[in-house]
Amino acid sequence: AQSVTQLGSHVSVSEGALVLLRCNYSSSVPPYLFWYVQYPNQGLQLLLKYTSAATLVKGINGFEAEFKKSETSFHLTKPSAHMSDAAEYFCAVRKTGGFKTIFGAGTRLFVKA
Amino acid sequence: KAGVTQTPRYLIKTRGQQVTLSCSPISGHRSVSWYQQTPGQGLQFLFEYFSETQRNKGNFPGRFSGRQFSNSRSEMNVSTLELGDSALYLCASSLLAGGIDSNEQFFGPGTRLTVL
Repeated sequence: AQSVTQLGSHVSVSEGALVLLRCNYSSSVPPYLFWYVQYPNQGLQLLLKYTSAATLVKGINGFEAEFKKSETSFHLTKPSAHMSDAAEYFCAVRKTGGFKTIFGAGTRLFVKA
Repeated sequence: KAGVTQTPRYLIKTRGQQVTLSCSPISGHRSVSWYQQTPGQGLQFLFEYFSETQRNKGNFPGRFSGRQFSNSRSEMNVSTLELGDSALYLCASSLLAGGIDSNEQFFGPGTRLTVL
């Protein structure tokens, strides 16, 4: 069975600092992996996705993630945090053949001025 | 192009009642998926529809049901509401069926259901 673990329910960084949100997955077959962001009272917005084309995936708003099969990880990074990045971030995994997506518990990112 | 629309945005019901939530996908999209988001359980997949057919179903009791119409609009119904059904219900639409690399889901703002 697939599962996703996000390490740290809350992460706090200073504006301009590196953002690192951790995600580990378990899947018996190469999965699709995603990072979504959710702002208060809004739905989810796709930041980036891994579909086996390239291990380093660049997304919107300066975010990127690297797929490491040996570590079963898909950590999200951004070199310099901005106040507008404060939100909740979800890592997700999906097998082929449908949209049944398994989400991690989420990491709330706080950005300090 | 308008995004995914969910109605109503907020809903208050009492235990034992039933509720119907509506989702209008992006124009031209044929796939609709539903998710439940709660503080305790997080985001959980409910079901997925494509061309009026349910393709996948999550691990929810039979009180949760859904359907998709010929215009791709979808409804989900929850009967005999319980306190634990209080959640944000998110709908996502996609152009094609799941399983295609380039296929992306676009989420609506959700319907906040409160069961008293």
